[in-house]
Amino acid sequence: KQEVTQIPAALSVPEGENLVLNCSFTDSAIYNLQWFRQDPGKGLTSLLLIQSSQREQTSGRLNASLDKSSGRSTLYIAASQPGDSATYLCAGDRGSTLGRLYFGRGTQLTVWP
Amino acid sequence: DAGVTQSPTHLIKTRGQQVTLRCSPKSGHDTVSWYQQALGQGPQFIFQYYEEEERQRGNFPDRFSGHQFPNYSSELNVNALLLGDSALYLCASSWTVGRGAQGYTFGSGTRLTVV
Repeated sequence: KQEVTQIPAALSVPEGENLVLNCSFTDSAIYNLQWFRQDPGKGLTSLLLIQSSQREQTSGRLNASLDKSSGRSTLYIAASQPGDSATYLCAGDRGSTLGRLYFGRGTQLTVWP
Repeated sequence: DAGVTQSPTHLIKTRGQQVTLRCSPKSGHDTVSWYQQALGQGPQFIFQYYEEEERQRGNFPDRFSGHQFPNYSSELNVNALLLGDSALYLCASSWTVGRGAQGYTFGSGTRLTVV
């Protein structure tokens, strides 16, 4: 059974800090990995997708990497802003299971001015 | 280009009733998946539809059923509602390439409250 752990569960930082959010899978056979943002009571917004042939993706102040040998992913957020406050979820699929996503419980991020 | 559209946005039902949730996928996507997200938890996979067939199912009872139409839209039906079915129901669409689906796009969800 695939289990996903996200560390830390919650994070509260002042504006401007560089942040690291971690995600790990008990089964390292991850095919694609996606990071999402979720605002309270809302749906999921895709931030970054690391496809099977890739190891890293960048978008603006966000950078995500995936180490397939260990089943670990890291999301870096540079120069954090209050608008970054949300819950960040990582999710992976295993290709052979035809795309079912396995989610962590998320990291709840608060960035204060 | 519209993303994934879900309806209704909120719903209140009584225990024992039945409910139908609807999802229109993003243009160009042919695969629809449904997830249940309880408060404070990550989304849990319910099932996935491709070519109008359920091709994978998570650990949910038969009270949860679905359908995909020729235009790729989908419905999630839940019978005999329980209080524990209260959650945010998320629909995700994707396209299937090679070994599996790629690049999920999620809707804003339907908040179901069972009283």
